[in-house]
Amino acid sequence: KNEVEQSPQNLTAQEGEFITINCSYSVGISALHWLQQHPGGGIVSLFMLSSGKKKHGRLIATINIQEKHSSLHITASHPRDSAVYICAVNFGNEKLTFGTGTRLTIIP
Amino acid sequence: KAGVTQTPRYLIKTRGQQVTLSCSPISGHRSVSWYQQTPGQGLQFLFEYFSETQRNKGNFPGRFSGRQFSNSRSEMNVSTLELGDSALYLCASSGVGRGYTFGSGTRLTVV
Repeated sequence: KNEVEQSPQNLTAQEGEFITINCSYSVGISALHWLQQHPGGGIVSLFMLSSGKKKHGRLIATINIQEKHSSLHITASHPRDSAVYICAVNFGNEKLTFGTGTRLTIIP
Repeated sequence: KAGVTQTPRYLIKTRGQQVTLSCSPISGHRSVSWYQQTPGQGLQFLFEYFSETQRNKGNFPGRFSGRQFSNSRSEMNVSTLELGDSALYLCASSGVGRGYTFGSGTRLTVV
């Protein structure tokens, strides 16, 4: 069964802390995506990965294909980073399968 | 560059009615996919269209259907609405080898 698991489900941290959100998947994939959803519903695509590591500003995403695992890191976290972060993967049939999301709250 | 446009933003319908939602993708993107988001089930894939052909379909009843036009704009239709169809419906467009760009969604409430 094609599954995506995220952890933690909820994460509260102080401003400035280093944040890590994890994603594991069950079988081989063609791509993994990290998405951000703010209250109100809009989803922003942060990264699309098939191997290695990508960085954009304070956000870093890594993927280990052998271990079927990806992490999203946020350095120097800020209250505006508060959102739901969602891991999604394209399994062999290409349709997106989503994790349950991580609700991140950064306290000033 | 215009983003993905979904209309309407909000919709209230009565059980048994039908509804049509619209999605205009980013210019040049030929793939449009649709998703349902509910508090209980999270985000779930509905279907994907590429060059007017349905390429993938999720596990939803036949009441949920869609189509794509020659200009890549897509519509999804839900017939015989049920209370459980209340959800945020999102569409996303993508180009070849690129990630997804999501619209702001249509929030459907069935009463």
